[in-house]
Amino acid sequence: GAVVSQHPSRVICKSGTSVKIECRSLDFQATTMFWYRQFPKQSLMLMATSNEGSKATYEQGVEKDKFLINHASLTLSTLTVTSAHPEDSSFYICSASRTSGGFAGELFFGEGSRLTVL
Amino acid sequence: RKEVEQDPGPFNVPEGATVAFNCTYSNSASQSFFWYRQDCRKEPKLLMSVYSSGNEDGRFTAQLNRASQYISLLIRDSKLSDSATYLCVVNRRGSARQLTFGSGTQLTVLP
Repeated sequence: GAVVSQHPSRVICKSGTSVKIECRSLDFQATTMFWYRQFPKQSLMLMATSNEGSKATYEQGVEKDKFLINHASLTLSTLTVTSAHPEDSSFYICSASRTSGGFAGELFFGEGSRLTVL
Repeated sequence: RKEVEQDPGPFNVPEGATVAFNCTYSNSASQSFFWYRQDCRKEPKLLMSVYSSGNEDGRFTAQLNRASQYISLLIRDSKLSDSATYLCVVNRRGSARQLTFGSGTQLTVLP
């Protein structure tokens, strides 16, 4: 089946540094990828929709200058958390869709990246 | 009101028990409904889609009531491996692939 890979799975960084998380679709091309964030015991919250070759669409309340998204190819989207602060510590998960439209159930999730900012 | 609401649990049941989870959603225009399973500190994985006619996959049965905007998941003969958090998921207004997740219902199956 389709596989979406995220890297790194876990990162610890100092406050003020930037962290890049990669999301790759390994055996299919993904024109659209989604980035979610999940705080402990809370639901996944959509942060942004990443479209290949164009600017990402951010959800209300998500700072686009803080969470930089680049989707330069059909198999790779990156999320960079700039000037990270302890409140950015969370579980970041990407998902990708095999098809360009239609059935939302065909989303495949990456393994997630757990960010801890000290 | 949250777009997707679930009873957070936890539900602690013995092996072999039948357990039911409920979920309500606020967007009457939602067209796609799912149950995802999330193990501790892992990514969510699709358990099953939910259809208006109701659908069954082995020990799992999902039901949808559009009039009441209510979704359910029934697990029969529960196994220890069923222990996880079950997420009720619906698509967002106007988007087939942007999903809104409930906060999940935690299930622990006890030996």
